[in-house]
Order: sequence, then structure tokens, then C-alpha cells
Amino acid sequence: KNQVEQSPQSLIILEGKNCTLQCNYTVSPFSNLRWYKQDTGRGPVSLTIMTFSENTKSNGRYTATLDADTKQSSLHITASQLSDSASYICVVWRDEKLTFGTGTRLTIIP
Amino acid sequence: DTGVSQDPRHKITKRGQNVTFRCDPISEHNRLYWYRQTLGQGPEFLTYFQNEAQLEKSRLLSDRFSAERPKGSFSTLEIQRTEQGDSAMYLCASSPGVGETQYFGPGTRLLVL
Repeated sequence: KNQVEQSPQSLIILEGKNCTLQCNYTVSPFSNLRWYKQDTGRGPVSLTIMTFSENTKSNGRYTATLDADTKQSSLHITASQLSDSASYICVVWRDEKLTFGTGTRLTIIP
Repeated sequence: DTGVSQDPRHKITKRGQNVTFRCDPISEHNRLYWYRQTLGQGPEFLTYFQNEAQLEKSRLLSDRFSAERPKGSFSTLEIQRTEQGDSAMYLCASSPGVGETQYFGPGTRLLVL
């Protein structure tokens, strides 16, 4: 069973709309939780990093939240743009290595 | 371009052949990581280096796989006697230190026929 699970598996929204991606994890304890964006055929790029004591972290139109009690994180994207089309991967850092979720494939349509 | 680079970007080989991939990390990053990503899945950890020392290997890294970082700079990942199940994207990442952001390269996509 994957220790980091994401939902939905895929999502299609209109340009300009907001969306929220979910991440549930069982890895515990951990040092930090990260959200990465991965364009097709490219390596992942870090969006946010949160320690387990942080509740929220923003990076432009991206806002990540973390609830360590329920072991859930979310990534909220506001005012989506066509360039936001990508896979978004939730990642937990523990014991010197990253455990990746399977990702949410986000498609923005004009 | 001062990011992580990988070579080649694509490799097609026949089953049973050996392949070698190269990763050049960001200059002065002492940590280097290798991951494997299959279609529709997140990357899976394979191994990592602190300078030239290989500190951990995943059980995914069978005896056919070997990674080196001889001078603490670039790294190579070799797969011997490739199998069709080795087909995947092989990602390299580097970071300045423990727990810091890992910067990924573009990956090498391997197809074993």
C-alpha cells in the first residue's frame, strides 16, 4: 500500500477557476512534506516545503496546507492558468529520502 | 544552464544489453539522488550519495544496477542485462544538504525492447 495517496487521480478545470488537490499519508513521523509540479517528460519541480509544525505555506497562486493530526495535506491553486497543466505530486521526506505519491494529473482547458 | 543535467535523454535498447546513464548535479551540491518513475506513478527512490559515498540503496536496486559518483561530482547509473521491466524514466536530483530542496534533472527515458 502506497504510503502517500493522492486524490483525485486526474482533474480537468476551466482556465481561471480554482482547484484543490488532496494528499493523505501514513509516513510518520516525517521531517517535511513537499508538493512538486511535474510537466510531462520533465523532472519534478518543488513548489512548497512544510515541516510537520507548519499549517500552511504559499508560493504565488499555490497554497499548501498540512494537518498533522489527520495526516492530510492539500494544494490549492487559484486563478488557474493553462501553464498549470501538469502532474502535482505530494512528497514526504523522512530518513534522508523522499516518498512520492502517485500524483494528480491536472488539465486546464481554455 | 546551471541546473541538473542528464544524458542521454532517451535510450532504446534490446533486452540483455547494458546501459549507462550520466547525471551532472548542480555545482557544489553534495547530495545526489537517483529515482525511477514508471508511467502514471510517482518517482521511487533508488539510491543516494553524499559526495562520493553511496549511503543507501533501495531494495529496488537489484544486483544488475550499480551507481557510482567517483569524484563526488557527476554520477553514473549502469543497468546490466536489461529487462523489459527496466523500462522507465530514470531521474537524478541533487541538493545542497540534508533535508533541503532536491532539484531534479529532466530524466532519461529508457525503453527496453
